[in-house]
Amino acid sequence: GAGVSQSPRYKVAKRGQDVALRCDPISGHVSLFWYQQALGQGPEFLTYFQNEAQLDKSGLPSDRFFAERPEGSVSTLKIQRTQQEDSAVYLCASYDLYGYTFGSGTRLTVV
Amino acid sequence: GQQLNQSPQSMFIQEGEDVSMNCTSSSIFNTWLWYKQEPGEGPVLLIALYKAGELTSNGRLTAQFGITRKDSFLNISASIPSDVGIYFCAGQITGNQFYFGTGTSLTVIP
Repeated sequence: GAGVSQSPRYKVAKRGQDVALRCDPISGHVSLFWYQQALGQGPEFLTYFQNEAQLDKSGLPSDRFFAERPEGSVSTLKIQRTQQEDSAVYLCASYDLYGYTFGSGTRLTVV
Repeated sequence: GQQLNQSPQSMFIQEGEDVSMNCTSSSIFNTWLWYKQEPGEGPVLLIALYKAGELTSNGRLTAQFGITRKDSFLNISASIPSDVGIYFCAGQITGNQFYFGTGTSLTVIP
């Protein structure tokens, strides 16, 4: 596609519920990143894929967070047993020579 | 992670005024990017800078990669209402990961 597409745009989860956030990167882009953006803050790195390989997951805040990109295109960020502190916008970006192109994000609210 | 400090934190200016904001770090960066984010949207790339001292323009926007490689500046000339948003700097040391600043919120008063 022309841009990075994320779904859903908004997700409300009850505390303890599992959620899955989807990212469709720009077609042909090898590198894909997930960032977490808390209210009033800049995006913070979560994890990075090159094709299907997860090369860096150092930013994942806990073992409740898991990301995959099994066929090197679409990626899913899964959060298990959501907590209130997980409430944030989750941004996906694909990367080319010029920098990141971001999706519009998924706003997760844990109640 | 790396700390990127942006200032000012927020700005309220009259339409037509020029705007200056900066981003500083204690670390040396190899690439600087400037992004603009509007409510409910992801950040959109404005300008990319790749070497120390580089000065790059994109319309009314001009950004500079500081000589020390620890800072970058963004200027907006003759501001208009649609310039409203949050401006983020992002720096890259090595690899593909970028570190983002805390943002400068710009409000333009018509």
